[in-house]
Formats: sequence, C-alpha cells, structure tokens
Amino acid sequence: ELKVEQNPLFLSMQEGKNYTIYCNYSTTSDRLYWYRQDPGKSLESLFVLLSNGAVKQEGRLMASLDTKARLSTLHITAAVHDLSATYFCAGRDTNSGYALNFGKGTSLLVTP
Amino acid sequence: NAGVTQTPKFRVLKTGQSMTLLCAQDMNHEYMYWYRQDPGMGLRLIHYSVGEGTTAKGEVPDGYNVSRLKKQNFLLGLESAAPSQTSVYFCASSYSRANYGYTFGSGTRLTVV
Repeated sequence: ELKVEQNPLFLSMQEGKNYTIYCNYSTTSDRLYWYRQDPGKSLESLFVLLSNGAVKQEGRLMASLDTKARLSTLHITAAVHDLSATYFCAGRDTNSGYALNFGKGTSLLVTP
Repeated sequence: NAGVTQTPKFRVLKTGQSMTLLCAQDMNHEYMYWYRQDPGMGLRLIHYSVGEGTTAKGEVPDGYNVSRLKKQNFLLGLESAAPSQTSVYFCASSYSRANYGYTFGSGTRLTVV
C-alpha cells in the first residue's frame, strides 16, 4: 500500500522568506500530485509530476520529483500572504483503482 | 459542463439515521472515488469504482456502502450514522488510468449529532 508522508505539518513563515515542504512516499508511484486547499473549499490542482527529475514552476511555487529517493518537494519563494493555505501531496495507488493517496497536508501561514 | 457535483452540500444527521450522498459527473469518467477529510488526517479513501457496476473498498470503508448503477453517478450511503462519521466528504473522478487529471467535487459537510 502506498503511504505518503509530508513534513512539516504546520508552517508559519514571514512574507518574503523561502521554504520547502517535503513529501516522501513508501512505494513506487508513477505520478506525484500537489494540491492546494483553502479553508472550506475543495482541492485545487497545482502540479502533476510524471517522471524522475521533473520540475514544474508556477509563480512562487516550484515542485520537483526524485523517484529514486521517493521524494517530492514544494519550494516556496518569497512567500506572500495569498499563499496561506493547506498543501497536500498525493501519490497514485495502482492497487486501489489508481486512487490518490494523500499526505496529511501542510498548513501554511504566511505572516507580514 | 458542470464537472463533479455533490449533493447535498451540508447535512446534519442524528445518530442512527441513514442518508445517501450523491456524486454526479458529466465528463464520461470511468473512475470515481469517495474520500473523507478530517482535521489533520488528509483525505482518506472510503470506496472507489473503476467503472459502471463496479465498486471496491478503500482505506476506511466501515459504516459506508456505495453503488454505481450508472456511469455518471456514484452514491455513498450511511445506513446508521455515527458521530465518528462527522466529516467532510469529497468525491473525485478520473477519465482513465492513463489520464493524469482528477476532478474533485466541492464537498459535503456532514455532522452527526
């Protein structure tokens, strides 16, 4: 069974600072996903990483994938308040109908 | 194109009552999933379906039943609600295993008192 672990679970950072969220997964997953969730809302897709070494960037967020280390990272550059949200990584479980297995999420608060 | 629609959006049940949550998608997706989200737990898979007429158990299936009689609808039933089933429920769908996109519904907030 695919297990996904994120750290940290809570992150408070100042505007303008950089930080990285880590996502480890236990077995092979052919794809790795990052989502954002605002309070009371559904999940918003941020990135889909398909292969080893994949790197994707959107604004102040950059995601990367190392399949050999079973590690994905979400790097935040020069954080702004609008990035405050909960971020989830998820791997695809081929043994459960290709369902996404989620980490517990990282609750990010960006303060002035 | 509505995507994935969940009904109802909110519901309060008394312990022991039953209800059905409906997930409807208009994208001709084969795969459908029910998740529950609890604080600090991420999203956990309850049941899933890989096509019309098929269902299977996920990580936390106890207390829930599902049906997928029509391709576009995936129903989640609670036969005898318990306070432990207080949660936010999300439905998701995907076109096929080769497709990498998942579409999520807006969620159903269920409180069991």
